[in-house]
Amino acid sequence: EIVLTQSPATLSLSPGERATLSCRASQSVSSYLAWYQQKPGQAPRLLIYDASNRATGIPARFSGSGSGTDFTLTISSLEPEDFAVYYCQQRSNWPTFGPGTKVDIK
Amino acid sequence: QVQLVQSGAEVKKPGASVKVSCKASGYTFTSYGISWVRQAPGQGLEWMGWISAYNGNTNYAQKLQGRVTMTTDTSTSTAYMELRSLRSDDTAVYYCAREIMGGYIDYWGQGTLVTVSS
Repeated sequence: EIVLTQSPATLSLSPGERATLSCRASQSVSSYLAWYQQKPGQAPRLLIYDASNRATGIPARFSGSGSGTDFTLTISSLEPEDFAVYYCQQRSNWPTFGPGTKVDIK
Repeated sequence: QVQLVQSGAEVKKPGASVKVSCKASGYTFTSYGISWVRQAPGQGLEWMGWISAYNGNTNYAQKLQGRVTMTTDTSTSTAYMELRSLRSDDTAVYYCAREIMGGYIDYWGQGTLVTVSS
C-alpha cells in the first residue's frame, strides 16, 4: 500500500495569504495524484487531478504541481471559504488518502 | 445535475450487518464506476472498494475482504454496500461516490452515518 504523508498537519494563515501544502508518497505515483477539500459536515470536493489539472469549476487560485513522490497544492490568495481540510489521494496503486492538512484562520 | 442520494443513518449492534443504498441521477449510471469511502469520526478518508456499474466487477480493500459486498441495480440506478460482522471501529460516515479516470472521485453522496454500539 502506498502511504501518503501530508505536511504541515495544520496551517494557520490569514485571508489573502498564500498557502502551500505538501504531500509525499512512500513510492512513486507518477502524476496520479489528486487533491480534495473538505469542510465540516460536508463530503470532500475534487480540486486537482493528475497532479496539476483543475477540476471543473475550481477557481484559478488553486494550483497543483509535482510528480513521482513529491507534490504541492498552492492556494495563491486565501478566500474565507478556503479554510478547510485538504487531502491528497493517489490512484497509482490501490487508492489511498493522506491524513489531511487543516488550513485554519490565524 | 449529477446527484448521489444515500440512505439514512443506521445504528447497529456489534456482529450485525448494514446495507447502505446510493441512488444516482443526472448521468448515465452504467458509464461510471461507484466507489465507497468511509470516514471515522474526526479521522481521515479510507477507500473501501469499487464496483463497475457497467458489468458489476468489484475490487475491495484487502482489510475488508470477506465482510463487504458491493452491488448495483441498473434498473433503478442504485448502488449498495453491505458490511457484515460489524465492529465498533466500523463506526463512520460512509460515502458513495462516482469514480472517474480509474481512481478519482468527482461526485460524492451526502454520506450515511453508521454507528456500531452495544
